[in-house]
Amino acid sequence: GESVGLHLPTLSVQEGDNSIINCAYSNSASDYFIWYKQESGKGPQFIIDIRSNMDKRQGQRVTVLLNKTVKHLSLQIAATQPGDSAVYFCALDFNNAGNMLTFGGGTRLMVKP
Amino acid sequence: ETGVTQSPTHLIKTRGQQVTLRCSSQSGHNTVSWYQQALGQGPQFIFQYYREEENGRGNFPPRFSGLQFPNYSSELNVNALELDDSALYLCASSLVGGSYEQYFGPGTRLTVT
Repeated sequence: GESVGLHLPTLSVQEGDNSIINCAYSNSASDYFIWYKQESGKGPQFIIDIRSNMDKRQGQRVTVLLNKTVKHLSLQIAATQPGDSAVYFCALDFNNAGNMLTFGGGTRLMVKP
Repeated sequence: ETGVTQSPTHLIKTRGQQVTLRCSSQSGHNTVSWYQQALGQGPQFIFQYYREEENGRGNFPPRFSGLQFPNYSSELNVNALELDDSALYLCASSLVGGSYEQYFGPGTRLTVT
């Protein structure tokens, strides 16, 4: 079956630094990858997505990189702010319909002032 | 905040009981998915409903069942509750044929004692 893993359970960064959160996946058939942010007491919030025909996609202060050769996905957050403190999940769409997702275990990002 | 609402916020049940959780989708969304999130883990896909029919299912037993109503609201029913059913239950709505982005509700925290 599909599995999604993250490399680090916790990441601590200084405010203003860049953050990189990594994720590995095993299902090479997946076409769609998403990063979610989950703050305490809330549901996951969509950050950015990328399709398998792309290597890189940029949003506001965030960049997602996809390396299909090694089945690796990363989220880069520029100029990390205290409001970025949350748990970040990578997810992949296991039926390529964009809405049945397999989530990784999550990385907790802590931003030090 | 997304337009997805869930009720109740918290719930305590006894092992063996039955529970019904409710979700109101974002306006205009025709698909709802349910996820179970155990403490400290990523969400796990339970099932999805589209046009009032189950459209896909994860690795959950039949005692997990659901309904989708004509107004696209949804219910998750769990029979014969077990201690391991204690988790945050999330619903997410999306629009088939539109953006693949899913909008998650804040979840219902279920505790089984």
